[in-house]
Amino acid sequence: QKEVEQDPGPLSVPEGAIVSLNCTYSNSAFQYFMWYRQYSRKGPELLMYTYSSGNKEDGRFTAQVDKSSKYISLFIRDSQPSDSATYLCAMRKWDRDDKIIFGKGTRLHILP
Amino acid sequence: DTEVTQTPKHLVMGMTNKKSLKCEQHMGHRAMYWYKQKAKKPPELMFVYSYEKLSINESVPSRFSPECPNSSLLNLHLHALQPEDSALYLCASSQEETDTQYFGPGTRLTVL
Repeated sequence: QKEVEQDPGPLSVPEGAIVSLNCTYSNSAFQYFMWYRQYSRKGPELLMYTYSSGNKEDGRFTAQVDKSSKYISLFIRDSQPSDSATYLCAMRKWDRDDKIIFGKGTRLHILP
Repeated sequence: DTEVTQTPKHLVMGMTNKKSLKCEQHMGHRAMYWYKQKAKKPPELMFVYSYEKLSINESVPSRFSPECPNSSLLNLHLHALQPEDSALYLCASSQEETDTQYFGPGTRLTVL
């Protein structure tokens, strides 16, 4: 079983819809959870960063972590065409461990 | 096979050494990438090799030189590196440049 699983998509939704992106993981030692957005030919940029379980909200983005289910989600409200990108989940075990395990990414298309 | 493999896992080298990092994928992907990742930072794109054409991030110094011997292999040749080049070097591949990238586990490089 891979450490981090993420559906590669593509996922196409109409503009204005709520987008839900998800990852599952197998290692209960993961404590730090990130979501990255990556545009074509660019490196990933960090969108959200959460520690342990719970929710975190930043503008139109909400990150959720459910450690009991080993499941994390990213919600995008009022989706825009500019949100079209690949979204990668990532996680690591402890703060001093700079080895980040990435999911494979989900390609998202927002249709105008 | 949906893996991107990288060797070696760890590399320690002096500033006068010449070494190479190796990346391999057998998914038939046409684009391959090298990223550099410093502690607690997202990966920074260094090179893109797509359809036998190399694209370079202009901020990457010439002491790093990529080589693509065939469509499955991507090497990164290192020469006269500096201690600040110590980082995790990630390789990735994708079917096309606009597609989801699959990341390898990385090579942790230490320059003494």
